[in-house]
Amino acid sequence: QKEVEQNSGPLSVPEGAIASLNCTYSDRVSQSFFWYRQYSGKSPELIMSIYSNGDKEDGRFTAQLNKASQYVSLLIRDSQPSDSATYLCAVNRGGTNAGKSTFGDGTTLTVKP
Amino acid sequence: EPEVTQTPSHQVTQMGQEVILRCVPISNHLYFYWYRQILGQKVEFLVSFYNNEISEKSEIFDDQFSVERPDGSNFTLKIRSTKLEDSAMYFCAGSGTNSDTQYFGPGTRLTVL
Repeated sequence: QKEVEQNSGPLSVPEGAIASLNCTYSDRVSQSFFWYRQYSGKSPELIMSIYSNGDKEDGRFTAQLNKASQYVSLLIRDSQPSDSATYLCAVNRGGTNAGKSTFGDGTTLTVKP
Repeated sequence: EPEVTQTPSHQVTQMGQEVILRCVPISNHLYFYWYRQILGQKVEFLVSFYNNEISEKSEIFDDQFSVERPDGSNFTLKIRSTKLEDSAMYFCAGSGTNSDTQYFGPGTRLTVL
């Protein structure tokens, strides 16, 4: 079982639609969860961080965390062509851990005009 | 807004040569990391560094790798004798705490011939 697993892509949505990205993780003591966006050949860019169960909204983005189900998701509302990228889910144990983040393989999103 | 910087952006080297990749983290960060991403693969943790010593390292980070923060600002990754399989993007990252968001630099593309 992968430590961090993301829904296999590629995912294609029309402009203006909602894109839903999912991630599950295996380490129950994980405390910090991050969604990064990565354009081809570029470095990961933080979209959202979430630490507590529930929803966290920032503009068109909503992250959802369910620690009991070991599940974290990202919703992108009113998707734009500029949202086309690979989205990376990252998980961090926090606490006494040295801060290592474990990344999923990424889900490639294409938003079609 | 402060940013993580990395130099060089692209390094080409011959197999067996030593390379040093340089990073200048955000000044108020305390935890520093190196990750790598082989083309088409996921981001992989190499090492974390805190309080002037290695906190955690992965299996990838063998005796050929070393890190240093020589002057309180620069953070370097040295590969003593490069191999073909070391070809990848190397990202430096930093964070304020061990569970906080990690901010990534733009990366150094290392090509080993």
